[in-house]
Amino acid sequence: AQSVTQLDSQVPVFEEAPVELRCNYSSSVSVYLFWYVQYPNQGLQLLLKYLSGSTLVKGINGFEAEFNKSQTSFHLRKPSVHISDTAEYFCAVSSRWDNDMRFGAGTRLTVKP
Amino acid sequence: GAVVSQHPSRVICKSGTSVKIECRSLDFQATTMFWYRQFPKKSLMLMATSNEGSKATYEQGVEKDKFLINHASLTLSTLTVTSAHPEDSSFYICSASLTTTSYEQYFGPGTRLTVT
Repeated sequence: AQSVTQLDSQVPVFEEAPVELRCNYSSSVSVYLFWYVQYPNQGLQLLLKYLSGSTLVKGINGFEAEFNKSQTSFHLRKPSVHISDTAEYFCAVSSRWDNDMRFGAGTRLTVKP
Repeated sequence: GAVVSQHPSRVICKSGTSVKIECRSLDFQATTMFWYRQFPKKSLMLMATSNEGSKATYEQGVEKDKFLINHASLTLSTLTVTSAHPEDSSFYICSASLTTTSYEQYFGPGTRLTVT
């Protein structure tokens, strides 16, 4: 089975600063990787996903992530954050052979003015 | 496309009663639906996976007699919390997948259950 570790439970950052949310995964099979955002009392919204091909994936709201197979990482980045980016971010991994998706513990991004 | 709805969005019930949460795929047929539970400031915990017309597969530690899941059609799955207790209070999120092997899950907006 696959698993995900999000290394930071909370990331405070000032508005317009860059941010990186770290994610490492573990799996014995090939995987798909995802980042989701969750605003308070809402479901999950897909930010981006890596399926194959280019290791740099661009998503919505100016976010991007880079798949690094050797380091088993899929860190999320944004060059300049906004107050509205304040939310919980979840990294997830899914086996390529079924739809068993596992989530990391989440990273709370707080953007301060 | 690929919209999933949940109803109700919030529910408060008394201890000992049962409550049903509906998950619907609005614009596609979902062969597989998933039910997750999210504790405050915690990640999503997969409770069970249900395929249309089949019995749900529960994750280890999840009581199938307490959390009844029905997936009677390709657009509707229900989660019934039976004899609810305050410790069942949580945020329940469903997701839907087009096929049993599809990597893409489409998430509902969640249901906040409070048991008093």
